[in-house]
Amino acid sequence: EAGVAQSPRYKIIEKRQSVAFWCNPISGHATLYWYQQILGQGPKLLIQFQNNGVVDDSQLPKDRFSAERLKGVDSTLKIQPAKLEDSAVYLCASSLFGDNTGELFFGEGSRLTVL
Amino acid sequence: DAKTTQPNSMESNEEEPVHLPCNHSTISGTDYIHWYRQLPSQGPEYVIHGLTSNVNNRMASLAIAEDRKSSTLILHRATLRDAAVYYCILRVWVGKLIFGQGTELSVKP
Repeated sequence: EAGVAQSPRYKIIEKRQSVAFWCNPISGHATLYWYQQILGQGPKLLIQFQNNGVVDDSQLPKDRFSAERLKGVDSTLKIQPAKLEDSAVYLCASSLFGDNTGELFFGEGSRLTVL
Repeated sequence: DAKTTQPNSMESNEEEPVHLPCNHSTISGTDYIHWYRQLPSQGPEYVIHGLTSNVNNRMASLAIAEDRKSSTLILHRATLRDAAVYYCILRVWVGKLIFGQGTELSVKP
């Protein structure tokens, strides 16, 4: 079974530029998550989708971050304009069930460096 | 959201058992206890979860205190590949998984 695919793996940009990350979840997984992991910290949930609807985006900085999940499959996370503090690994995860027992499967992440 | 407390780091010898503790004194009756681990340069991976009873799977065992205020992840025989950050997480209803700082486990040959 193919895992969660993310691209690009690495991205270096200058502050105020824009960047987009793509995620393809495991086939059939209805729930998709984007996490931000700053070096030395645990992952922080940015947004959770159930199919193509947003369940939770309370931690998403909406003035610069946006995410969409068209057709309830692939998802894109965009940052515009980027700030230095956005340097982090962006992790995508998916799960079969959106409940307490559903295991999350994570991708390898996209590492962003903002100069 | 209910919080967990874990030691920042632990050390183990290869091929010996490892007991990773987690305190969660404010746990509610419907919170499941989840453990994930994150190997270097990888995304987190699921290890085990439980509600009230002890649980075993091919990766580890989870021992849950009778009052559910603490739990212990047990790796029966540590290998070098088990060196990772281990996260103990209380998962509230509707599926939000909130990570803390975790315990960094190092394994010595």
